[in-house]
Amino acid sequence: EVQLVESGGGLVQPGGSLRLSCAASGFTFSYYEMNWVRQAPGKGLEWVSYISNRGSTIHYADSVKGRFTISRDNAKNSLYLQMNGLRAEDTAVYYCARGSTAMATYCFDYWGQGALVTVSS
Amino acid sequence: DIQMTQSPSSLSASVGDRVTITCRASQSISSYLNWYQHKPGKAPKLLIYAASSLQSGVPSRFSGSGSGTDFTLTISSLQPEDFAIYYCQQSYSTPPFTFGPGTKVDIK
Repeated sequence: EVQLVESGGGLVQPGGSLRLSCAASGFTFSYYEMNWVRQAPGKGLEWVSYISNRGSTIHYADSVKGRFTISRDNAKNSLYLQMNGLRAEDTAVYYCARGSTAMATYCFDYWGQGALVTVSS
Repeated sequence: DIQMTQSPSSLSASVGDRVTITCRASQSISSYLNWYQHKPGKAPKLLIYAASSLQSGVPSRFSGSGSGTDFTLTISSLQPEDFAIYYCQQSYSTPPFTFGPGTKVDIK
């Protein structure tokens, strides 16, 4: 069974940093592209960042570019999101999502339960 | 970037009703369109990929159609467990992978 479990969320002051982790199991992690997607309170889903299966290709949403860094450790079956320079508007539930190209389109076929990040003084 | 819109933003329906949600892309995205269901406190769930293909394990009352710029998600007979927010998402372009703003389906 595919499982994605996020951790590392919490309360942080504006300008602060936080590192999210996503532990993957039930599939060959190194074969898959991975993403972070967030949902701010009362808002919809927003794609945040993408990393290829070997980590050689990375993309960010404009809203986090230059502040967030996505990475992965295939030996540990883990995905990370280093968040620096946090702003109130980064307050959201952050989801780890597996990317799949096996279905004639790129989609997020498995998601974690999410980690809440609150940026507030 | 490709922009996605959905209509309606919310709807109220009864169990057994047929429900249709529309998604529109700001430019043609062929069939690179996916639909997700999201319930509060839960992980989002992939329902439909490539505009009309049903994800494994998803009930057959869910269906998708469309291509180009206009797409539809249909629930043929709404069930109690279907009350949720539904999002479309385009994957035509390289990132950003844009989501629509969502359609909330609640009980009438």
